[in-house]
Amino acid sequence: DTEVTQTPKHLVMGMTNKKSLKCEQHMGHRAMYWYKQKAKKPPELMFVYSYEKLSINESVPSRFSPECPNSSLLNLHLHALQPEDSALYLCASSQEYRGLNEQFFGPGTRLTVL
Amino acid sequence: DAKTTQPPSMDCAEGRAANLPCNHSTISGNEYVYWYRQIHSQGPQYIIHGLKNNETNEMASLIITEDRKSSTLILPHATLRDTAVYYCIVRVDGANSKLTFGKGITLSVRP
Repeated sequence: DTEVTQTPKHLVMGMTNKKSLKCEQHMGHRAMYWYKQKAKKPPELMFVYSYEKLSINESVPSRFSPECPNSSLLNLHLHALQPEDSALYLCASSQEYRGLNEQFFGPGTRLTVL
Repeated sequence: DAKTTQPPSMDCAEGRAANLPCNHSTISGNEYVYWYRQIHSQGPQYIIHGLKNNETNEMASLIITEDRKSSTLILPHATLRDTAVYYCIVRVDGANSKLTFGKGITLSVRP
């Protein structure tokens, strides 16, 4: 199984809502990532988890809160978002963070903030 | 990480080879060249990577110049499904080996 799954596929939320994005992999990978991709732009790294610990936070606003409950799951909790946060949110995983391990990406969650 | 430069777009005919160039003139000795692609509305997909030797797998070939300042990704027989944005990324092998995507090149395969 070389698949990274993300739910939901689409999400529309208001600026006062709280919602969560979910990512799952069953490849035994120990590194998981969140990326943000605006329309017609390349993906930008947000967070890296390595062995269930947050390793990298690319100065992401606190209205985005990641969580790694176990080695297979990665969540992104959203609260008080702005319309400019509307984007495709991509999850990825790799065997390890260190080294040149291939990253496997999920299909993304397309988020619209009204 | 060293930056890469790619043309914004190119096209090729179905069944022909697609040669996608990438410049990475400031690449360091411990930096690898990676290629990922992103088909519309999907997540990026790993294609191939190399250090200095040419590499080939079932998807593509990677040709790196001797001075390592540029490389070419070759899709030997492009199909319509190869239409995508192709990202050339230079990546260090080490503790901080994150992927930093540039603008990429949009390949359009025409029938």
